[in-house]
Amino acid sequence: AQSVTQPDIHITVSEGASLELRCNYSYGATPYLFWYVQSPGQGLQLLLKYFSGDTLVQGIKGFEAEFKRSQSSFNLRKPSVHWSDAAEYFCAVGSLMYSGGGADGLTFGKGTHLIIQP
Amino acid sequence: KAGVTQTPRYLIKTRGQQVTLSCSPISGHRSVSWYQQTPGQGLQFLFEYFSETQRNKGNFPGRFSGRQFSNSRSEMNVSTLELGDSALYLCASSFSQGARYEQYFGPGTRLTVT
Repeated sequence: AQSVTQPDIHITVSEGASLELRCNYSYGATPYLFWYVQSPGQGLQLLLKYFSGDTLVQGIKGFEAEFKRSQSSFNLRKPSVHWSDAAEYFCAVGSLMYSGGGADGLTFGKGTHLIIQP
Repeated sequence: KAGVTQTPRYLIKTRGQQVTLSCSPISGHRSVSWYQQTPGQGLQFLFEYFSETQRNKGNFPGRFSGRQFSNSRSEMNVSTLELGDSALYLCASSFSQGARYEQYFGPGTRLTVT
């Protein structure tokens, strides 16, 4: 079964500082990997995704993530955070091949709550 | 293009009752997935519908059910509500089935069971 671990429940970063959110996954084949962001009272917004190819992917809002197969990781980074980046961030893994009949929906990590200090 | 809409946004029910939540996907999207979000369990996949058929189902009891209509709109139903069903229920639509297609999430329905 696939699983996602986000080791950091809370992270506090000063505005303007760099950010890295950790994500480790467990999956038997090549996964589809995603990062989503959720602001209070909102649904989830896709930041970026990795399907194949270049292991460094660029997303919206200045975020990027690097897929490292050897470490089963897909960490999210941003060089300089803004106060508006304060939110909950979720890493997710999905099936590469749709098989049908099983739980092929996205599997999410428990999330990392990002706090921005002025 | 309008986003995913979910109605109602907030709902309060009593234990033992049943509830129906509605989701209207983005125009042209044929797949609708439902997720439950709770502080303890996080985001968990409930089921996915495509072309009016349930294609996938997560590990939830039979009290949780859903359906999809010919216009791709979807409803989920929870019968015999329990306190533990209190959660944010998120609907996501995508062009087709499978993780390769980006899922667009609605704002959710906040269900409180008392």
